[in-house]
Amino acid sequence: DAGVIQSPRHEVTEMGQEVTLRCKPISGHDYLFWYRQTMMRGLELLIYFNNNVPIDDSGMPEDRFSAKMPNASFSTLKIQPSEPRDSAVYFCASSFGGELFFGEGSRLTVL
Amino acid sequence: AQRVTQPEKLLSVFKGAPVELKCNYSYSGSPELFWYVQYSRQRLQLLLRHISRESIKGFTADLNKGETSFHLKKPFAQEEDSAMYYCARFNYGQNFVFGPGTRLSVLP
Repeated sequence: DAGVIQSPRHEVTEMGQEVTLRCKPISGHDYLFWYRQTMMRGLELLIYFNNNVPIDDSGMPEDRFSAKMPNASFSTLKIQPSEPRDSAVYFCASSFGGELFFGEGSRLTVL
Repeated sequence: AQRVTQPEKLLSVFKGAPVELKCNYSYSGSPELFWYVQYSRQRLQLLLRHISRESIKGFTADLNKGETSFHLKKPFAQEEDSAMYYCARFNYGQNFVFGPGTRLSVLP
């Protein structure tokens, strides 16, 4: 398995634009997590899914953020409209049996 | 609420010195405890999980339920150990909770 795959690896956009980050979890994993990492706040859990169902989205900063998992092999995190304070590295991770595997992250810069 | 604390944001040691990265967790059920490591600009990788009782890259961690701690130790630090270290807990049916992380800097 190629591991958790995220795209894009880097995204630079202007304030107000829509951003969509994508994640392909490891096949067979039943949990999927979206994290945001910044220097100031460290690693923050945004939302996680179990068997494609959102379980806890209390970490989603505000209504501008939304996440979907239409099937077991794909998830998206969308920011609309984006703001400079959304600049961060966004990690997707999947899990089965208690071990978490991370993707390489998507580095977002909002100008 | 489940919590994981790592009291040191930054820890600097000299090469060859012992290192201990502290981690404490809030007591709730029977959590699994993990250490993840993130080298510069890379993904987080699993370093240790308490149930495996392995030593990885010379690191060990013992779960102390009485003190609710899971400190990470290495007797002789190497420069390549410089990285960000995150302690995490997991309860089945719930999510992973990460500590704020400790940046380890091993000086030559």
